Amino acid sequence: ETGVTQTPRHLVMGMTNKKSLKCEQHLGHNAMYWYKQSAKKPLELMFVYSLEERVENNSVPSRFSPECPNSSHLFLHLHTLQPEDSALYLCASSQGQGSDEQYFGPGTRLTVT
Amino acid sequence: GQQVMQIPQYQHVQEGEDFTTYCNSSTTLSNIQWYKQRPGGHPVFLIQLVKSGEVKKQKRLTFQFGEAKKNSSLHITATQTTDVGTYFCAGGATSGTYKYIFGTGTRLKVLA
Repeated sequence: ETGVTQTPRHLVMGMTNKKSLKCEQHLGHNAMYWYKQSAKKPLELMFVYSLEERVENNSVPSRFSPECPNSSHLFLHLHTLQPEDSALYLCASSQGQGSDEQYFGPGTRLTVT
Repeated sequence: GQQVMQIPQYQHVQEGEDFTTYCNSSTTLSNIQWYKQRPGGHPVFLIQLVKSGEVKKQKRLTFQFGEAKKNSSLHITATQTTDVGTYFCAGGATSGTYKYIFGTGTRLKVLA
């Protein structure tokens, strides 16, 4: 499945580094999402963009900064992360309105050292 | 805030046995979605239920939405090794919402 792609697939970064995660969807969808998946915890919604406008910000720390330059691309900028931020970061997209099925990318496995 | 609980957390079954996972919300839902995540993979959409008491079938999978729209279940008949993975429910609080609360998931292992 190549509908939603994410790069990089794996990332190891120190707590003082700055890095970015990239997501691209090729489905013509208008909504894009960032989720965090940690071991033994449910998927946590972080941000939602609809038509490049942020519609959900789920009390995420400011060390995570999203950017949605157009409806096909979504970034998550990371800086001064903590070890507890290590997780699988999943991007998803949906048709445009809420209550649509979400298509997930393969995720970026992030390790903060 | 809204919580979605799923039970059991883990289930090991012999191939050919049936399997059921249950999802319970602390609040009334507008709709519920189900996803499957294979080991090392990403969640893949299975189905969405909207109406009170709705039942939908996909081959060996049967999905139900409770009358009160606060609980849901997924039942697999005669499991196969390809059914291995984690099954998540995701509850939408309001119609048209982008915000889905995911359950903790049920990890299914099928023993051949």
